[in-house]
Amino acid sequence: DAKTTQPPSMDCAEGRAANLPCNHSTISGNEYVYWYRQIHSQGPQYIIHGLKNNETNEMASLIITEDRKSSTLILPHATLRDTAVYYCIVRATGNQFYFGTGTSLTVIP
Amino acid sequence: DAGVIQSPRHEVTEMGQEVTLRCKPISGHNSLFWYRQTMMRGLELLIYFNNNVPIDDSGMPEDRFSAKMPNASFSTLKIQPSEPRDSAVYFCASRVYTMGGSPGEAFFGQGTRLTVV
Repeated sequence: DAKTTQPPSMDCAEGRAANLPCNHSTISGNEYVYWYRQIHSQGPQYIIHGLKNNETNEMASLIITEDRKSSTLILPHATLRDTAVYYCIVRATGNQFYFGTGTSLTVIP
Repeated sequence: DAGVIQSPRHEVTEMGQEVTLRCKPISGHNSLFWYRQTMMRGLELLIYFNNNVPIDDSGMPEDRFSAKMPNASFSTLKIQPSEPRDSAVYFCASRVYTMGGSPGEAFFGQGTRLTVV
C-alpha cells in the first residue's frame, strides 16, 4: 500500500485559502487519492477523491501533480468550522481504507 | 437517509465484562468497516465485510474481539472479556463496493466511546 506523509499541523487565517499538502511517492497507477476530515469527537467525513485529474466539489479542490507523487487539498475560503484533522489516504488494493496521522488544521479568526 | 447508526454512543463497563457495539449501515451499502481510535494509535482498521462476509480481520487485536454481520443491515463488534486498554472510540463505516468498479466514499457513524474501568 502506498504510504502518505502529511505535516502534523497547520494554521490558516479565516477567509483565506487553506492548502494542505500530501506526499504519496509510492502510489501505484490504479490507486486513488482520498481526503477525509475529522472534526473533534465526530466520525471522519469524506471530502473528495481523485485519480489523475484535478477535482473540485462544493467543499474543496484536489490538485494532483502530474507524476501523482503528491497532492494538495484546497479549502478556498476557510472558516472556523473547518478546524479539524485532515487525512490523506491512498486507497489500498482491495477495499480497505487506512488512515495515517493526518494534518491538524486550525483556522484562526 | 439517517446515515450510519451506531449504538450505544457511550458505554462504561467494568473490566472482565462483555461489551457489544452495534452498527446499522446505510441502506444499499454492501461494505462495512469497524475502526478503533485512540490518542496513541490513531484510527485503526479492525475488520471489514463485503456482502456480509468478513474479508480481512487482520486488524483485530486479539481473540477477545469478534465481529459479526448476520445480515446487510446490522453488525456487531463484541469484546469478551473487556480490559481497560480497550478504552477507545469505535467507529463503524459503510460504502458501496463493486469489484473493479469506481470506488465510492465511506460514510462513518458518530462512534461509540467505550470506557473500561
